[in-house]
Amino acid sequence: DQQVKQNSPSLSVQEGRISILNCDYTNSMFDYFLWYKKYPAEGPTFLISISSIKDKNEDGRFTVFLNKSAKHLSLHIVPSQPGDSAVYFCAASTYNAGNNRKLIWGLGTSLAVNP
Amino acid sequence: SQTIHQWPATLVQPVGSPLSLECTVEGTSNPNLYWYRQAAGRGLQLLFYSVGIGQISSEVPQNLSASRPQDRQFILSSKKLLLSDSGFYLCAWSADRAVEQYFGPGTRLTVT
Repeated sequence: DQQVKQNSPSLSVQEGRISILNCDYTNSMFDYFLWYKKYPAEGPTFLISISSIKDKNEDGRFTVFLNKSAKHLSLHIVPSQPGDSAVYFCAASTYNAGNNRKLIWGLGTSLAVNP
Repeated sequence: SQTIHQWPATLVQPVGSPLSLECTVEGTSNPNLYWYRQAAGRGLQLLFYSVGIGQISSEVPQNLSASRPQDRQFILSSKKLLLSDSGFYLCAWSADRAVEQYFGPGTRLTVT
């Protein structure tokens, strides 16, 4: 049962335009959501997060929007640059049985930004 | 600042051979440590996590084991590798109670 879903395996965008990556979740107990960027053969890099009590968080070119009623979040990259080409993972934070934090991951969306 | 190291970067091992992957973290104390695997074309699967020395929790039953002999050292092991153990192994750390996890560069394991 996939609790965090990224329904678009890939996305292609022109340089300078907006990239919108989407993520849906099923568990209303998630209290934080995170986005990571991953290049091939490297570890994921943390990009931005948002608390479930917020609806928007912005950091430079990256903005994450959260719609709790729809259980949906999105990452906006404006303007998109060729160096943004990577796989983007959505993750949700909750607690395990031992009361330790754990991340539940989506399967990722591969973004290609074309010059 | 904190740094996380993993080695080796790549490894090719025959079926039935042992495995030892090491991860160390610098610049922090008492981190939570994690081992993940990413199979080809798939997402990140949490294998083990540790909240302290000698404390290991397994998320999925498998052919692998983990140990934490020191505060900032996390080791992933196997006595006998299977073909299905091939994948990209990632170590991560987080501060206690923190949400964000920070990843190492990963180890590409190919079992032949």
